[in-house]
Parts: sequence; C-alpha cells; structure tokens
Amino acid sequence: NAGVTQTPKFRVLKTGQSMTLLCAQDMNHEYMYWYRQDPGMGLRLIHYSVGEGTTAKGEVPDGYNVSRLKKQNFLLGLESAAPSQTSVYFCASSYLGPQGTSHEQYFGPGTRLTVT
Amino acid sequence: DAKTTQPPSMDCAEGRAANLPCNHSTISGNEYVYWYRQIHSQGPQYIIHGLKNNETNEMASLIITEDRKSSTLILPHATLRDTAVYYCIVRGFTGANSKLTFGKGITLSVRP
Repeated sequence: NAGVTQTPKFRVLKTGQSMTLLCAQDMNHEYMYWYRQDPGMGLRLIHYSVGEGTTAKGEVPDGYNVSRLKKQNFLLGLESAAPSQTSVYFCASSYLGPQGTSHEQYFGPGTRLTVT
Repeated sequence: DAKTTQPPSMDCAEGRAANLPCNHSTISGNEYVYWYRQIHSQGPQYIIHGLKNNETNEMASLIITEDRKSSTLILPHATLRDTAVYYCIVRGFTGANSKLTFGKGITLSVRP
C-alpha cells in the first residue's frame, strides 16, 4: 500500500493564480482531512470530509475549497492564491471504526506551496 | 477538547529512555490522549493513544496518571531517528468531527 500520497510535492504560484492539490489514499478510509502548517506552528485544519460527496469546514477554511467525488481522493483548491497561503499542506485520512470511532490519522508527505 | 501543556524541548542520550511529559488538567472523562510526532519536514506520524489505562505498542508506552491530568510518553531506547517534534493531543471521542488540534509540541533531540 502506498498509504496517503500528495501531488504535487512543491509548487510556486503567483498571486491570483489558481491550483488544485490532490490527495489520494489506498486504505479505503472514510475520513479525509486537509491541514496547513506554517513555520513554528502546529497544524491547522482547513477542511475535512466524513465520506464521499461530503465536506465540512475546519478552523481556517477561507480561501480554500474542497471536493470529495471519489472515496479515495480529496482535492484542495485555491481559486485565487495569496501570499498568506504560503505554507506546507498535509493531507490525512482515517478509518471509521466500531461505534463511529476514529483514532489514528495517517498523513501524507506534504505539499510545499509558495505564493509570490 | 481539553488543552495540553508541554515543555518546548528536551534531550536525551541515544540508547536511553526518553520520557516526554504532558499536562492536560482539564481533560474530561470521554477524552482520549494521543501522541503524534513529526520528523523534520515529514507528515505527522501516529504513535499511540489511551483513555485511562497505560498503553504499549511497538513504538512507545503511554503512562496516564490515575487522575488523568497528565501523561508521559516513553520511548524505551531512543535512537537518533527519534529526533522530532512530539505532539500530545487530547480529543473527545467523536465520529463525525474527528479533527485533531495540534499545538506546538515538544522538540526531542537525541544526542549520540
């Protein structure tokens, strides 16, 4: 199993450009998440999904959109990139256990995005 | 979710046990304690979690005090590869909103 993979690994955008980050998992997990991590800070949740076709806002959703058309994929879109969105983006997934439990989250390697 | 407090950094010698403390004095009865770590530039890695009892797996042991207000992650034989930021997280048991809240963590430096 590849686990959680992210595409691309690095990207440089100009202000106002758009892009989509792709997250894929091959573990048949129900839940998927997008986090961002800024220097010296912990991870902050952007959006998450509890199943195919569903998405919900996290702590810092402004400026981002997401879609989960297939269970294994979770896309993060930036419609009009801003320098404040320069960050490392991590995707994660977790399984739905007994009685709705969800403990371990499995993270991808990250996408390093710079907006100039 | 309850807040956690960790010292900013600590170090230990290679081969020795690393004991990483965490305070969570406002933890409620249904909240779990989780530990993740992040090795430089990589995605976070799940280590262990527990509710009341002490837990052990192939990576580490988790000791939770009887009053559940603090816990200690133990890496029994630290190696240089264990140098990382370790996050102690308290999270309620929930299915629909299973997000993790990462703080600043504790930086563990393992010295040769």
